Amino acid sequence: GAGVSQTPSNKVTEKGKYVELRCDPISGHTALYWYRQSLGQGPEFLIYFQGTGAADDSGLPNDRFFAVRPEGSVSTLKIQRTERGDSAVYLCASSTGLGDTGELFFGEGSRLTVL
Amino acid sequence: SQQGEEDPQALSIQEGENATMNCSYKTSINNLQWYRQNSGRGLVHLILIRSNEREKHSGRLRVTLDTSKKSSSLLITASRAADTASYFCATEFQGAQKLVFGQGTRLTINP
Repeated sequence: GAGVSQTPSNKVTEKGKYVELRCDPISGHTALYWYRQSLGQGPEFLIYFQGTGAADDSGLPNDRFFAVRPEGSVSTLKIQRTERGDSAVYLCASSTGLGDTGELFFGEGSRLTVL
Repeated sequence: SQQGEEDPQALSIQEGENATMNCSYKTSINNLQWYRQNSGRGLVHLILIRSNEREKHSGRLRVTLDTSKKSSSLLITASRAADTASYFCATEFQGAQKLVFGQGTRLTINP
């Protein structure tokens, strides 16, 4: 597609449930990033993929959070046993992956609300 | 944790005036980038400045970088109501291939 696509745009779930958020990056972009943004804050880094592998997952807050990118394109962020504190906008971004971190192209985000 | 700090947190000016936002960071960087975010939307890249550059221009945007002070500024000249948004600086620290974002400056342009 022309840009980074994220689904769902909104997700409301109950505490304790499992959630999957999907990101479809720009075609040909090898680098893919997940960020989390709380209201009034800047994006907080979660994980970075180069191709199929997670090159840096130092931002994942705990083992309830997991992300995959099995074919080096679409990525899924998985959150187990959701908590109210997980409520935020989850942003995905992609880049060419060449050289240092250049321009990131962001999706519109998935707003997660945990009741 | 976020390592960049932006100043001011909020800025409100009249249309036509210039807007200046500042960003400070803590460790050596490869590059620094500025992004814009309209309410409820994704972030849009504005400009990238590398550690060996001191100033860059793009249209009405001017970015400066002072690596000795570990700071950057974004100047928007002749502001327009459509410039109303949040602006974030993001740094790529040496040895890391990810961007760390600041808290952002919320800019309001009054018509």
